[in-house]
Order: sequence, then structure tokens, then C-alpha cells
Amino acid sequence: QLQLQESGPGLVKPSETLSLTCTVSGGSISSSSYYWGWIRQPPGKGLEWIGSIYYSGSTYYNPSLKSRVTISVDTSKNQFSLKLSSVTAADTAVYYCARPGDCSGGSCYFDIWGQGTMVTVSS
Amino acid sequence: DIQMTQSPSSLSASVGDRVTITCRASQGISNYLAWYQQKPGKVPKLLIYAASTLQSGVPSRFSGSGSGTDFTLTISSLQPEDVATYYCQKYNSAPPITFGQGTRLEIK
Repeated sequence: QLQLQESGPGLVKPSETLSLTCTVSGGSISSSSYYWGWIRQPPGKGLEWIGSIYYSGSTYYNPSLKSRVTISVDTSKNQFSLKLSSVTAADTAVYYCARPGDCSGGSCYFDIWGQGTMVTVSS
Repeated sequence: DIQMTQSPSSLSASVGDRVTITCRASQGISNYLAWYQQKPGKVPKLLIYAASTLQSGVPSRFSGSGSGTDFTLTISSLQPEDVATYYCQKYNSAPPITFGQGTRLEIK
């Protein structure tokens, strides 16, 4: 069955760029007609949508993060990636990638999630 | 942007109780509402989408209702394994995608 796995550094220094990759297995990222997503969760807090990407490369970003976020896709590797620049301690969180279930416009709910990866921003 | 407000923020109930969690949208979102369950230390799990459609494999004691701005998640008979935080999420029209702040459910 389809699985998602996040990968990337667990520790990032303040002001640097956080980079994560989501690898999709058991299915093709190009087979979905919808937008794959990145969501994060700071320790002890709720869920925050970061952004979403279509396999063609079309993206949507959370306005609160838009100036710092870039999401890209590599269909040949069945991966999509997240870059978050100029990070601070407030960006410390578990970062999840997720598969869209169904969508309206560019907004989707997510039916399959990766296990999540904890990223700490600290010097 | 449309805001999603859940109530209560936390609740405690006894095994076998009927539990209801409410989610209110600041503007109408038709039925573009999903509910997730997140157990401590675990990944969020989709329970319900389209406000009332049960995701495959989810126990039938979970149900959802509502349309427009007001939605509810109901657990008909609370079980010990239902201890979790529950989130609503709107997905109508163009982003941003927004989650409610969460409702923490405990066993009394």
C-alpha cells in the first residue's frame, strides 16, 4: 500500500534553511489528481498546514509562511520536498508529508500521512 | 481567511458515554470538513471527510454531521482507545487549509 517517508536533518541552526524530502512508495506521485501536502506540529501544539504541491509543480502556500517556503516535486524520484528559510526556534516542530484524499479547488483533506520527522532549530 | 474554532478545548468523559465535539467555521464551507484523531505520540489519522463520510476502517461509533458553518463529531459510546486529540480541518475552495485548535479527550 502507499507509504510516505520524510527525511532530512533533525537539527538546523537559526537563520539557516530547513530542507526535507518526502518519498512516496507503493504508488506514483503522478497518479494523484490532487495536491500533496506538508503539515507541521510544534511540540504540544496543534496542526499547521505549510503548503501543497501538484505533480505538475503547481503550489499553494500558507500565507503566514509564504515568504520563506518553497515546495518542489521530482516525479522521476517519486518525491516532493520542502525548504523553509531563515528558521527560528518557532519553526521547531514535527514535520509531516501527506497524501491528498479529495480536494476542492487546491484545498484537500489528507488520508495518508508519513510518520513525521522532528526538526529542532537550535545553535 | 476562514477560521475554524473547536469546542470544547478539552473534555473528560466516562467509558460508554456519548461524546460530542463541535467545530465552527467563520464562513460557510459547505460540507468540506474533515476530522482527524491523533493519539499521543502518533500520526494524525483521518476519521471523517465530507463532514459525514466515515473513512474506511474507522469504527462505526464515530459519526460526523453538519454543513455550512457548524459541524459535530460524535462518539456514540466512548472506548478507552478513543483517548486522543481531535482536529477538524476545512478544505473548501482555494487554500489556505485550516485546522481547528484541537479537542483533547480523556477518560474520566
